[in-house]
Amino acid sequence: DAGVIQSPRHEVTEMGQEVTLRCKPISGHNSLFWYRQTMMRGLELLIYFNNNVPIDDSGMPEDRFSAKMPNASFSTLKIQPSEPRDSAVYFCASSFDRATTEAFFGQGTRLTVV
Amino acid sequence: SQELEQSPQSLIVQEGKNLTINCTSSKTLYGLYWYKQKYGEGLIFLMMLQKGGEEKSHEKITAKLDEKKQQSSLHITASQPSHAGIYLCGADQATGNQFYFGTGTSLTVIP
Repeated sequence: DAGVIQSPRHEVTEMGQEVTLRCKPISGHNSLFWYRQTMMRGLELLIYFNNNVPIDDSGMPEDRFSAKMPNASFSTLKIQPSEPRDSAVYFCASSFDRATTEAFFGQGTRLTVV
Repeated sequence: SQELEQSPQSLIVQEGKNLTINCTSSKTLYGLYWYKQKYGEGLIFLMMLQKGGEEKSHEKITAKLDEKKQQSSLHITASQPSHAGIYLCGADQATGNQFYFGTGTSLTVIP
């Protein structure tokens, strides 16, 4: 398996534009996590899916952020409209059940909003 | 909410030196995890501690969880450039689905 695949690796966009980050979890994993990493706040859990259903989205910063998991092999994190303070590295991770001890992380998407 | 404070925030050591990174929790830890992240890459799971007083080792990295289960330390013996990266501790909340990460420690090893 190629591991968790995120795209794009880098994204530079103008303030106000819509940004969509994509994640393909490891086949067979039924838990998927979206994280945001910034220098100021470190790594934060944004939302967690189990069997494609959002279980905990309390980490989503505000209504501009939304995440979907239409099937077991694909998830998106969308920011609309984007703002400069959204600039961060966004990680996707997947695991079998919610055993975060063995969660596998993607390479991350570095988002810059100018 | 769980708060995990790591110290130091950053560390620069000469190759071959020993070093320690600490992770302190505001609440009792029910499971403490250590991860390593290299710049531009994802997290790599290092080890997990659950019992007070527990100690685990992997190659030259040793982690301990104190008896009161509110602090953990990560010790690297004879550091190498390959140890460079960001070290994160993480903790599981006793109830609920939330998982918390520490503030991170950036380690640089000078050859």
